[in-house]
Amino acid sequence: DAGITQSPRHKVTETGTPVTLRCHQTENHRYMYWYRQDPGHGLRLIHYSYGVKDTDKGEVSDGYSVSRSKTEDFLLTLESATSSQTSVYFCAISEVLGTEAFFGQGTRLTVV
Amino acid sequence: GNSVTQMEGPVTLSEEAFLTINCTYTATGYPSLFWYVQYPGEGLQLLLKATKADDKGSNKGFEATYRKETTSFHLEKGSVQVSDSAVYFCALSAGYSGGGADGLTFGKGTHLIIQP
Repeated sequence: DAGITQSPRHKVTETGTPVTLRCHQTENHRYMYWYRQDPGHGLRLIHYSYGVKDTDKGEVSDGYSVSRSKTEDFLLTLESATSSQTSVYFCAISEVLGTEAFFGQGTRLTVV
Repeated sequence: GNSVTQMEGPVTLSEEAFLTINCTYTATGYPSLFWYVQYPGEGLQLLLKATKADDKGSNKGFEATYRKETTSFHLEKGSVQVSDSAVYFCALSAGYSGGGADGLTFGKGTHLIIQP
């Protein structure tokens, strides 16, 4: 299994509070991704990174920001959580563009 | 933009039945194609892949052939087991950078239920 750790695994937070999810990899892969999974939508790309301090927006980036200060860590921040951001969040990594990605176990976030 | 369409299900089959899950795609250029499987409470696991036209990916009795002429990558298995019950995702990777093209584009997933 690819060495990807997401933390926390579960979180309940209140509307309007900031939340940061962490993804840590031990594979030294260049590309890292954050997806959200929702019923009826499959997985949708939020943000991705193609190197340290190099990030870009995905399909559903509004309300989210990311940072990557080290190769192994990719942080996803919800500046002010809303109920529509209740979801399961997955981090993924890939070594080469256009190849398969490997996924973490996911973080279940509930915004109440 | 890129997109993947697959039957959503749930698909319910009896053990030892033949399985087909259809997947078609729209993409610019020559994408790589993937099938992922997700068991309850877990992340996605790569099941198989194909990187060019006419390639056949296979793993654990599952197969899929990259058909460029029909833009399809249908998943098949000759004899399913109860342990195959899961959600299956078809995905593509455009393989070029910029404009959100990085990363995988997923179908909505097909929930497969195998009854003993």
